[in-house]
Amino acid sequence: GEDVEQSLFLSVREGDSSVINCTYTDSSSTYLYWYKQEPGAGLQLLTYIFSNMDMKQDQRLTVLLNKKDKHLSLRIADTQTGDSAIYFCAESGGATNKLIFGTGTLLAVQP
Amino acid sequence: NAGVTQTPKFQVLKTGQSMTLQCAQDMNHEYMSWYRQDPGMGLRLIHYSVGAGITDQGEVPNGYNVSRSTTEDFPLRLLSAAPSQTSVYFCASSFQGEGGEQYFGPGTRLTVT
Repeated sequence: GEDVEQSLFLSVREGDSSVINCTYTDSSSTYLYWYKQEPGAGLQLLTYIFSNMDMKQDQRLTVLLNKKDKHLSLRIADTQTGDSAIYFCAESGGATNKLIFGTGTLLAVQP
Repeated sequence: NAGVTQTPKFQVLKTGQSMTLQCAQDMNHEYMSWYRQDPGMGLRLIHYSVGAGITDQGEVPNGYNVSRSTTEDFPLRLLSAAPSQTSVYFCASSFQGEGGEQYFGPGTRLTVT
């Protein structure tokens, strides 16, 4: 079945870049998403990329997609303490809104 | 425009009790869904609906029922709560069709003792 994998934890210093990685198995995925979850809150969509794109940039966020290796990454430039949260990668495929989520990566930003 | 609202925020149940988690959205979204979030497992889809009167099962539907009598509301029923249903439950909604943003509610933290 479909599977999405992420590393569980990443620690960076304030001002550094963060790179959160994700691998997925469903080659029919047409959209791939990054969601952010702050403590005690729901999920907030950060950005998404269509599967025919290699890269998408949105202010401090850069998404890279390697469709051949089924690898997705999220780079956060100039990471701030307010970026501390859990980041989820998710995929959707076919004519459906159903999302398959990864396990989430806890990003800890040290001052 | 309240977005997606969920009630209650917290609930403690005893094994065997039943309850309904409420979810409502005011964005006229066709698609609504329920996820549960467990540590180290991400979010898993329980049930979803593509419009009023239409529901379908997700990845982990056992022990849960849903109905969609209106576009706005999508309640999740636990028929006989079990400790394995201790989790954080999120409702989400979006317009139908791929690629759109799904809006999440703030979650309901459920503990079954």
